[in-house]
Amino acid sequence: QVQLKESGPGLVQPSQTLSLTCTVSGFSLTSYHVSWVRQPPGKGLEWMGVIWTGGSTAYNSLLKSRLSISRDISKSQVFLKMNSLQTEDTATYYCARDQPGAHYFDYWGQGVMVTVSS
Amino acid sequence: DIQMTQSPSVLSASVGDRVTLNCKASQNINKYLNWYQQKLGEAPKLLIYNTNNLQTGIPSRFSGSGSGTDFTLTISSLQPEDFATYFCFQHNSWPLTFGSGTKLEIK
Repeated sequence: QVQLKESGPGLVQPSQTLSLTCTVSGFSLTSYHVSWVRQPPGKGLEWMGVIWTGGSTAYNSLLKSRLSISRDISKSQVFLKMNSLQTEDTATYYCARDQPGAHYFDYWGQGVMVTVSS
Repeated sequence: DIQMTQSPSVLSASVGDRVTLNCKASQNINKYLNWYQQKLGEAPKLLIYNTNNLQTGIPSRFSGSGSGTDFTLTISSLQPEDFATYFCFQHNSWPLTFGSGTKLEIK
């Protein structure tokens, strides 16, 4: 069945780089896009960016200068890297399967909580 | 960026009620509007895509309508499991954006 699972550090120091991995199963990264979405505690959802089936990417303009999304097809993994972290980047980070041509997120990972603090 | 405004921010209702949640886009987004349900501590769940298409496995008491800038999610008869927060999401223009959410509470 389709599954996504995020992994990464729970705590990152301010100004450091966040590295997260989304490991997927039950579908191919060449058939579906994968988006990253984050949610600060008690707040709403923010779309961060997407890696398309062909490997190209698109980012939220607010994060573009700090964000990079890549993948390893052979390992069925998608990677998120975001630098210059600040306390406002504290959030739960989700990866989600993104339907080509429709941009609806039909399967989500459980999310990983990342706290930015010294 | 397209701003998505949801109203009300909090809605109190009872089991069996018919409720309507609203989502307004700052620009025309055609039909490219999805709805998600999120329960506390869980990932969001897709309910409806492209305004009025019910995702597989979602009960038929959920329906969506609208076009252009004004959209609604209707729950025809509230069930206990429907009390959650609902987010709209536009995918007409980059960057893709979510609304701020409507929390549906038990009256």
